[in-house]
Amino acid sequence: SYVLTQSPSVSVAPGKTATITCGGNDIGTKSVHWYQQRPGQAPVLVIYYNTDRPSGIPERFSGSNSGNTATLTIRRVEAGDEADYFCQVWDGRSDRGVFGTGTTLTV
Amino acid sequence: EVQLVESGGGLAQPGGSLRLACAASGFTFNAHWMHWVRQVPGKGLEWVSRSNSDASGTIYADSVKGRFTISRDNAKRTLYLQMNSLRVEDTAVYYCARDDGGNCFDYWGQGTLVTVSS
Repeated sequence: SYVLTQSPSVSVAPGKTATITCGGNDIGTKSVHWYQQRPGQAPVLVIYYNTDRPSGIPERFSGSNSGNTATLTIRRVEAGDEADYFCQVWDGRSDRGVFGTGTTLTV
Repeated sequence: EVQLVESGGGLAQPGGSLRLACAASGFTFNAHWMHWVRQVPGKGLEWVSRSNSDASGTIYADSVKGRFTISRDNAKRTLYLQMNSLRVEDTAVYYCARDDGGNCFDYWGQGTLVTVSS
């Protein structure tokens, strides 16, 4: 089955840039979606189709995807960005949803 | 405003059954595929199941295949998950999520907790 690997944690100072990666075999050929989950809340879509931002998501959030790594970048990090972040793809070979292991962002 | 509201969670014994429901509003329900995703408290997200728009096409994670059944009533704008032969490892918060048309989960419910314990 397809596996997505994320670093368990990332720590960044307020106002700086956070980079969260998602590794997978040839992930650059897939569409990657990113979800933010604040403590005690449901996940929220923050980036879809690698680079697109849903309405209401700040421009500080951006995404990229190439080769074996997809990246979520959060610029000018704020305390409210502190959350767990999960990447997700659809594995067409198995026709199953796949989530990354998740990264806890500490501000 | 898109809203998804899950219900039906609770305590079940190993080997028992529960039926979850997800009431949808604020969008054309019968135009969207729908998913169930679960999360063990403090752990990661696990995709569970998907239904196409009329439930004629359903798929499951290997961990629940043969035990769980996804269904929907488009007239009632409700998605269901029938969970049979429950195991302790099925303990999790269960979320329903809307598919945007490309297997991206663009809206999520608040989740309902299922606890399987004797």
